[in-house]
Formats: sequence, structure tokens, C-alpha cells
Amino acid sequence: DAGITQSPRHKVTETGTPVTLRCHQTENHRYMYWYRQDPGHGLRLIHYSYGVKDTDKGEVSDGYSVSRSKTEDFLLTLESATSSQTSVYFCAISGSTGTNYGYTFGSGTRLTVV
Amino acid sequence: GESVGLHLPTLSVQEGDNSIINCAYSNSASDYFIWYKQESGKGPQFIIDIRSNMDKRQGQRVTVLLNKTVKHLSLQIAATQPGDSAVYFCAESASGTYKYIFGTGTRLKVLA
Repeated sequence: DAGITQSPRHKVTETGTPVTLRCHQTENHRYMYWYRQDPGHGLRLIHYSYGVKDTDKGEVSDGYSVSRSKTEDFLLTLESATSSQTSVYFCAISGSTGTNYGYTFGSGTRLTVV
Repeated sequence: GESVGLHLPTLSVQEGDNSIINCAYSNSASDYFIWYKQESGKGPQFIIDIRSNMDKRQGQRVTVLLNKTVKHLSLQIAATQPGDSAVYFCAESASGTYKYIFGTGTRLKVLA
């Protein structure tokens, strides 16, 4: 989607290695989120940010950390990747203008841990 | 490929017919609801939203109905087209949280 980009789009990594996924937005939105999507579970919130250096845990935060040093970038790090973290990861942004408080999602990062 | 779900409930409809996709939500405090569409290999895309002070909202070819008594949402798509084939999610949120709970989704297949 215009205004939000995720990188990389695909990644294969080995168990035990660190991995960082990047989300970049050009909308100047305050809120940014990382979700993972797995069969049978839908979208589950990993971490979110409500401002620069302000982050909080979601429902599946174990094994993940995040950082937001500037408004436009939200990084998701897997400190030591495990096979259970093989998933599709989506970043989302949300603003507070207008009547639409929904998310705009990125195109996703498909991560495979082997 | 798409890893949205191998065992999603699937609704198959004939092209030109109307589609109805249902969703049960979990939190009685939720007051804002959204339907998203997710095509293969893409992120979810906003379709239509509704607030809890409404029972019905219409968009272009889509209508969302909200029944707060039984905590149920439905998405109606009129004159379903091949381009409507996708996975559809509902999402619920409570005021001020800016966080959503997503349903697991329904796959819509449009038959030519």
C-alpha cells in the first residue's frame, strides 16, 4: 500500500540467528503495529507503538523485540529465530484523523526459519 | 502463495449472486468494527466500517449489519464478481484502544 512499506518481502533464515524486519511509513501516523498471520489463528498482535520510543507488548510478544527511534520506522527483531516464528508478518499504521480509525497494512514479510 | 489459512471456512457463490459473510465478535465493550479483504499475497485492505450506534451501513456494493444483542456482524456483497474472491476478516475495537481483535476469516470463492 502507498505510504507503508515492509522490508524484506521474503526471508529465509536459520534457527538461532537474529532477524530484523523493517516497517517504514510516510503518513506521519502515530500508531504502528506488528502482527503475525498463521493458519487457523488469523492476525495476532506482537507489539505496537504509540509514539517515538513508546512501545508495548501484544498477545504474542515472547521472542520478539521492537524499536521506534523515529516516527516513520518501526523495527521488529527476532533475537534468536525459532521454527515457530515461521510466519507472515504484517506491519500496520493507524492515525486518528477522520472517522476511519482502521489500519493500513503493509504487504507483508514472509519469514521462513529453517 | 498465501498462508492466510488452509482450513478457513469457505463460501462459494455464483458470479452475480449476493454473498453474505458472517462474524461473531467477542467483546461486548467493542464499539467499532471493520471488515477487511485480503487477496493472495497482499495485506488486508479496509472495506467498510461501522460504529456501535448504527445497525447498518452501506458502501458501494457492500453492506455491513451489526447486531449488538448477539454480538454478530455480517458483510453483504451485492452482485459478487470474480475480483471479490479473497479472504474476509472482521475486526473489533473498543474506544481509545487503537488495537483490534481480528476474526480468523472466511474465504470467498466466486464461481464463473
